[in-house]
This record gives sequence, structure tokens and C-alpha cells, in this order.
Amino acid sequence: QKEVEQDPGPLSVPEGAIVSLNCTYSNSAFQYFMWYRQYSRKGPELLMYTYSSGNKEDGRFTAQVDKSSKYISLFIRDSQPSDSATYLCAMRPTQGGSEKLVFGKGTKLTVNP
Amino acid sequence: ETGVTQSPTHLIKTRGQQVTLRCSSQSGHNTVSWYQQALGQGPQFIFQYYREEENGRGNFPPRFSGLQFPNYSSELNVNALELDDSALYLCASSSGAQAFFGQGTRLTVV
Repeated sequence: QKEVEQDPGPLSVPEGAIVSLNCTYSNSAFQYFMWYRQYSRKGPELLMYTYSSGNKEDGRFTAQVDKSSKYISLFIRDSQPSDSATYLCAMRPTQGGSEKLVFGKGTKLTVNP
Repeated sequence: ETGVTQSPTHLIKTRGQQVTLRCSSQSGHNTVSWYQQALGQGPQFIFQYYREEENGRGNFPPRFSGLQFPNYSSELNVNALELDDSALYLCASSSGAQAFFGQGTRLTVV
């Protein structure tokens, strides 16, 4: 079993839709959770960062972490064609030190005008 | 803009050759990590440097090596290139738990 599982999609939605992206994980030591957006042939861009369980909102984006279920989500409201990208979840157990970021495979999202 | 810059952006090498990739980290960040991202996959951790010392390594062979310099910039060296080394190589500089990535170097091995 991989440490982080993410459905690669692809996911196609109409403009204005609410998008839900999800990851599950197996390592209960993970404490820090991130969502990255990656446009084609570019580096990942940090979108959301959360610590432990709970919700965090930033504009049209909401990140949720449910540690009891080992499940994290990213919601995009009023989706726009410019949101079309691959979304990567990532997590790590500690704030720094030698612990690596563990990524999901990424979900490819297309928002159609 | 993350402030993390990588060079070159694209590179084509022949199997068996050696390659050096470079990264300038974001100002104030003393930790730099390197990741390999194959097509259609998430980034895989190669190694991490903190204050010029390697302090974490993923499941990559010794022909992947690196350096970090006093100004916290970094190099990734890969010897004896194999076809499977073709990928996007990403450098990330860290502040606490958050990692900020450069645009990557796309390496093609032929």
C-alpha cells in the first residue's frame, strides 16, 4: 500500500462548478498537509497548508483534514478555466528536520468554459 | 514567484553521461531538497541538505549526489545516466514545514 493515494482522474467540470479533490494516507504520523497546483511543464505552486485536523479557507479554496479517517480534501468553489491544472497533495510528519514531503500522484483537473 | 530558480530549464543528455543541475533557494531558507517527477507521477524525494550537510535521502542510488553551498544554493549531480532518469527535477527550499518549488529542469536521456 502506498503511503499516499490520490485518484489521478482526469476530472472535467463546467466553469462555476464546485470541485472536490481528495487524498487518503496510511501513515498516522503525518501532521502537516499541503496542496500544490502544477501547470503543465511547470513546478508545483503551494496553494494551501494546514497543520493537524480541521479546515482552512483561502478565497475560493478550502482545505479539510480528517486525521481520524486519514483523509484530506481540497474544495474549489466557482471553478474557473484558469484552475485547470494538476493538483498534488503532499504531507510530512514533522515541521522540518530530515523528514521528506510525500506526494500523491496528482489529479488532473480541466474546467471547461 | 517562489524565489527558487533552477537552471537549465531543459537538457538533453546521452545515456552514460553525467549531468549537473543547479538551484538558487529562496532568501532566508537554509534547507533545500531535490525531487524527481516522472511523467504522470508525483514528485519523489531524492535528498535534502541543511546548512551544507545532507540530512535525508530517499530511495535513489549513490550515482545521485548533491552539494549545498554557503549561500544555500545547491547542485544535483547524476552520474552514468540511464534512460529512466528522464524526468522533471525539482528543487524546493523550505521554511518550517512549507516547501517552495522552482520551475524544474526537464532532463531527457537518449
